[in-house]
Amino acid sequence: QKEVEQNSGPLSVPEGAIASLNCTYSDRVSQSFFWYRQYSGKSPELIMSIYSNGDKEDGRFTAQLNKASQYVSLLIRDSQPSDSATYLCAVNQAYSGAGSYQLTFGKGTKLSVIP
Amino acid sequence: DADVTQTPRNRITKTGKRIMLECSQTKGHDRMYWYRQDPGLGLRLIYYSFDVKDINKGEISDGYSVSRQAQAKFSLSLESAIPNQTALYFCATSEGQGKLFFGSGTQLSVL
Repeated sequence: QKEVEQNSGPLSVPEGAIASLNCTYSDRVSQSFFWYRQYSGKSPELIMSIYSNGDKEDGRFTAQLNKASQYVSLLIRDSQPSDSATYLCAVNQAYSGAGSYQLTFGKGTKLSVIP
Repeated sequence: DADVTQTPRNRITKTGKRIMLECSQTKGHDRMYWYRQDPGLGLRLIYYSFDVKDINKGEISDGYSVSRQAQAKFSLSLESAIPNQTALYFCATSEGQGKLFFGSGTQLSVL
C-alpha cells in the first residue's frame, strides 16, 4: 500500500511568520511531488511541483525534496491570512512501461494564519 | 466559463437510487479522473481514463462505474447508492505529470 503521510494539524502561525508543512511517502520509486492548496468549500489547486532533490522557490513558496529520506516539505514565507487553507501533498506513482501516472494524496494539513 | 465543469453541484438522494454525476472539460486534456473526498480520509481515486477507449479502476471503484462519452466528457454513476457514498466528488483533468485541474465538486448526500 503506497502511502503519503501528513500531519493533519491544524497548524497555526502568526501573520508574517514562516509556515512549514511536511509530508513523507512510502514508495521509493516515486517520481514527482506536488503541493495543492484547498480553501474551505473549494476544489484543490496546484501551487508547487518538484521533481529533483533540493529546493524549488516560487514567490513566497519553497518546496523541498529529499528522496533519500522520502520527505517533501512546503515552506510559506511571510504567511498571510489568505494562506489559511488545507495543503495537500501528492506523490506521482509512476507505473513502469505504461507511461501512465496516478497521484496519491495525503490527507492534508490545515493551516491557519493568525492576523 | 469554468475549464472543468461538474453537474450537479449538490444532490440529495435516497438509498438504492441510481445517480449520475457529469463532468465536461474545455482544457483539451486526454486524462480525466474521478475522486471522492471525505473528512479525515483525503482525496481517493475512484476511476481514471487516459482516452475514450481507456478506462481504469482506481483505489475505491467498488459501487461505481464510469463512462467516457467523448474526450471532453466523463461521467460517474452510482448504480445503487448507499449512505457511505455520501461525500464530495471531484472530477479532474490532466495533461500529465500529476498536474491536475479540478472541477468545483459535487456534494452528494445519500439518505
